[in-house]
Amino acid sequence: NAGVTQTPKFQVLKTGQSMTLQCAQDMNHNSMYWYRQDPGMGLRLIYYSASEGTTDKGEVPNGYNVSRLNKREFSLRLESAAPSQTSVYFCASSERGRYNNEQFFGPGTRLTVL
Amino acid sequence: GIQVEQSPPDLILQEGANSTLRCNFSDSVNNLQWFHQNPWGQLINLFYIPSGTKQNGRLSATTVATERYSLLYISSSQTTDSGVYFCAVSKTSYDKVIFGPGTSLSVIP
Repeated sequence: NAGVTQTPKFQVLKTGQSMTLQCAQDMNHNSMYWYRQDPGMGLRLIYYSASEGTTDKGEVPNGYNVSRLNKREFSLRLESAAPSQTSVYFCASSERGRYNNEQFFGPGTRLTVL
Repeated sequence: GIQVEQSPPDLILQEGANSTLRCNFSDSVNNLQWFHQNPWGQLINLFYIPSGTKQNGRLSATTVATERYSLLYISSSQTTDSGVYFCAVSKTSYDKVIFGPGTSLSVIP
């Protein structure tokens, strides 16, 4: 039982390049999330998927796109990377129900945009 | 939206000491989690505690939802407790989760 996995662990991009961050969970959770964490700050929600086939914007969606490929997988795409997107990206999942939204996090992807 | 404050922002402890970390939130919540981010950046679930008290080994947490705060207690601290402790809340399970700014804890031998 691996929980939430993310690839890659590290990535360096040049301004204007594109890339996709991959996330998968094996807990059969219905909801998945992408967050970013900047130095000295808490996590901010980029996009989330409440269930397979749906996606919604979070707090900081500009410059990103997402795809909920199936129940297990949720990817985050940077179409034209900018230095302001240098950050650590975390994927999370939860079995979101009426009274519970306990989230479980992956190990993170450290992205540097030059 | 909900505002989340955590105190203290930084804490340095001698190994073996006890500590209390506080999380205040500006609105009623029915979801509250405590996380530990270790020095390698991994986020570890400590407690899911929208109300009441829970204990897990040397750690315990109490949430008083009516007064809009939660406390995390660390007893007999160890160097492996070092890292940043985050509180995260949402008003309902269908609302977005808001993270506090964290408390940075350093436990020195």
